[in-house]
Amino acid sequence: DAGVTQSPTHLIKTRGQQVTLRCSPKSGHDTVSWYQQALGQGPQFIFQYYEEEERQRGNFPDRFSGHQFPNYSSELNVNALLLGDSALYLCASSLASSGQIQYTFGSGTRLTVV
Amino acid sequence: DAKTTQPPSMDCAEGRAANLPCNHSTISGNEYVYWYRQIHSQGPQYIIHGLKNNETNEMASLIITEDRKSSTLILPHATLRDTAVYYCIVMMNTGFQKLVFGTGTRLLVSP
Repeated sequence: DAGVTQSPTHLIKTRGQQVTLRCSPKSGHDTVSWYQQALGQGPQFIFQYYEEEERQRGNFPDRFSGHQFPNYSSELNVNALLLGDSALYLCASSLASSGQIQYTFGSGTRLTVV
Repeated sequence: DAKTTQPPSMDCAEGRAANLPCNHSTISGNEYVYWYRQIHSQGPQYIIHGLKNNETNEMASLIITEDRKSSTLILPHATLRDTAVYYCIVMMNTGFQKLVFGTGTRLLVSP
């Protein structure tokens, strides 16, 4: 049973560039959430997608956008990259109708902005 | 902001029980207590959750006080692989919820 798959695992970008990160949820899950984790800190919620719509959003600027596809996979896009966007980006999936929320996380994408 | 307070770090000898405390004095009646852990360079991993009764699974036990203002995660026989940051999170259990992580407790299990 495949868990959450994220790609790429590592990425180096230059300030001002744009980046797209990808996530495939655990088999059977239909909801995808994205988190940003700066070094030494806990993950911070970016946004959550269900039925291809953004359901809730954390305190992140509009430079951060996302998408969910009909197969439940998701992308996180970040425009106009800043040095402060350097972080581990985590994707978590869950099943909306399960009645008991349990998130399964991927291993993340390490983004370095130089 | 996180609704929980945890000690920043704890040590435990291998084979002994690790008891990780968490304060959540503002928890509401419909919020559950969740525990996740994050091993270095990996994503967080779900451990256990509960509402008001004590819970046990293959990984750990969760003890919630009667007033629900605090809880303790117990790893009965800690191993070196249990070295990780442990996060206590309070959250409702239905709908579209988000995990609000605090700084967690860094547990170091030593030989």
